[in-house]
Amino acid sequence: DTGVSQNPRHKITKRGQNVTFRCDPISEHNRLYWYRQTLGQGPEFLTYFQNEAQLEKSRLLSDRFSAERPKGSFSTLEIQRTEQGDSAMYLCASSLARTASYEQYFGPGTRLTVT
Amino acid sequence: GENVEQHPSTLSVQEGDSAVIKCTYSDSASNYFPWYKQELGKGPQLIIDIRSNVGEKKDQRIAVTLNKTAKHFSLHITETQPEDSAVYFCAANINAGNMLTFGGGTRLMVKP
Repeated sequence: DTGVSQNPRHKITKRGQNVTFRCDPISEHNRLYWYRQTLGQGPEFLTYFQNEAQLEKSRLLSDRFSAERPKGSFSTLEIQRTEQGDSAMYLCASSLARTASYEQYFGPGTRLTVT
Repeated sequence: GENVEQHPSTLSVQEGDSAVIKCTYSDSASNYFPWYKQELGKGPQLIIDIRSNVGEKKDQRIAVTLNKTAKHFSLHITETQPEDSAVYFCAANINAGNMLTFGGGTRLMVKP
């Protein structure tokens, strides 16, 4: 499978615990995005990387959230001191940066449940 | 801030009929408008997109139209099939960049 992959697919954690998710983009894609999707809503942009540089962060991304893409390939999203309001699907997408190219391809998501 | 409104929120059609989903956007700088299909338990799948330099694009049973003056765009699905049943999302890029703002989604049900 050459699509975007995300691990784990499901995560259940207790409030106050830290969690980390991983995203592996399509192999030649140099842009990587994180979105959050709550039930019945569209995805909301969190942050994106071009290669290893984090270029944009949404106001939704509180200080408890941190994302990295250390070698410009896979990325991790960490949530510290989880709260019940963090329960959502966390989606990763990737794209190829080239002139006038915007297509983003999504992975299957990681569903987080905070109890 | 940038906003994308999508209507209707649910749409039920008979197999073989057409379905139309409409979106409006607020950012006049937006120049890229993708549509995604999301099935239960899966990530959104890009099905078609349109850029601001064209007014219509078609791919088999799916077409998208764009009216930049009115800031609205629509998805048209003809000859619907039960496997078209899913949630559809429209989106627009923010400030002509790489970040997407999504609409609230339309749950399409195609009855056999």
